[in-house]
Amino acid sequence: DAGITQSPRHKVTETGTPVTLRCHQTENHRYMYWYRQDPGHGLRLIHYSYGVKDTDKGEVSDGYSVSRSKTEDFLLTLESATSSQTSVYFCAIGTGGYGYTFGSGTRLTVV
Amino acid sequence: DQQVKQNSPSLSVQEGRISILNCDYTNSMFDYFLWYKKYPAEGPTFLISISSIKDKNEDGRFTVFLNKSAKHLSLHIVPSQPGDSAVYFCAASNFGNEKLTFGTGTRLTIIP
Repeated sequence: DAGITQSPRHKVTETGTPVTLRCHQTENHRYMYWYRQDPGHGLRLIHYSYGVKDTDKGEVSDGYSVSRSKTEDFLLTLESATSSQTSVYFCAIGTGGYGYTFGSGTRLTVV
Repeated sequence: DQQVKQNSPSLSVQEGRISILNCDYTNSMFDYFLWYKKYPAEGPTFLISISSIKDKNEDGRFTVFLNKSAKHLSLHIVPSQPGDSAVYFCAASNFGNEKLTFGTGTRLTIIP
């Protein structure tokens, strides 16, 4: 869906290095989310945002931080990447009552 | 605590037959349920939803059934087609909470 893009699509990084993933939307949507997808765990919420500078933690937020300085951009930062953060990361926009639109994902490998 | 559960990690169905995917939830406050479909290397896409005031919603080959007393919903696909091979996630939310809680997913394989 052209309304939401994630970058990069793939990244390999070393343990202990900082990593930032970007989500950009053109839908002017208030709510944005970061999920990670892992086998056996499905999609788990990391952080979400309900407006510029308004963010909150999800169920697996340890080791992650987020920032939203503009409506269209939601950044996810791994301050010091660990192997347990190897995953596929999805950004989404939307509301619970109408469902979400997801980006295409970022595959992150921490070696 | 897994509030939304999909107990079957995988399911194989012959082309043309019915596929039934199941989902259970524990939070009685959930009042809106959705199914998403995910192909490899793509993000999940919305498939069908149902509100707790209904017990059935139909869209073409896809029907979702909700049994509130059992806290159970199911997705029926009939007839199943090869393009239906994907991972299916159920999700739930409650009024006033914009977050969706997802299940662990079921990989559906349609056998030609």
